[in-house]
Amino acid sequence: EAGVTQFPSHSVIEKGQTVTLRCDPISGHDNLYWYRRVMGKEIKFLLHFVKESKQDESGMPNNRFLAERTGGTYSTLKVQPAELEDSGVYFCASSQGERFRTGELFFGEGSRLTVL
Amino acid sequence: RKEVEQDPGPFNVPEGATVAFNCTYSNSASQSFFWYRQDCRKEPKLLMSVYSSGNEDGRFTAQLNRASQYISLLIRDSKLSDSATYLCVARRGGFKTIFGAGTRLFVKA
Repeated sequence: EAGVTQFPSHSVIEKGQTVTLRCDPISGHDNLYWYRRVMGKEIKFLLHFVKESKQDESGMPNNRFLAERTGGTYSTLKVQPAELEDSGVYFCASSQGERFRTGELFFGEGSRLTVL
Repeated sequence: RKEVEQDPGPFNVPEGATVAFNCTYSNSASQSFFWYRQDCRKEPKLLMSVYSSGNEDGRFTAQLNRASQYISLLIRDSKLSDSATYLCVARRGGFKTIFGAGTRLFVKA
């Protein structure tokens, strides 16, 4: 079974440009999460989808970040325009539905974003 | 104050040693707790869940003290392959998951 996949693995852009990160969760996982790790800091929650609906987006830093999950399958996270402080590793994770309250999050390998 | 606090380390231990990591959480609404392991430049992976009664998985033992809002992880007979960052994780309010910054462990031959 395929795990969580993320694309691109690494993106280098200039300040002011736009970047779109993609996440394909494990098939059948209703829950999809985006997290970010800035160098030297803890992994921080950005937002949570249940199927195509945003369940919690309290961690989104500002309105330069837009996440979508059309059709409840893959998700995209767009940063527009990118700022220097947006640099970090963006992790996507998925988990099964509410009846599977094991709590295990399955993470992708992350998309490393470098803003110059 | 961070919601989940861990000693960042690093902990440098020889093979075969026993090492313990501690973690505290500040939000009493936290309901579930976990330890994740993250290798350098890799994604976090679940190591084990943490229960109040304490639970063991091979060389790893996890403990939760709700009264003190404290979580621990004990690793016995450390192996070189145990070298990694160990993330303490608390979950509250459905699926809101909060990560600690991690404790780095280096096991040396």
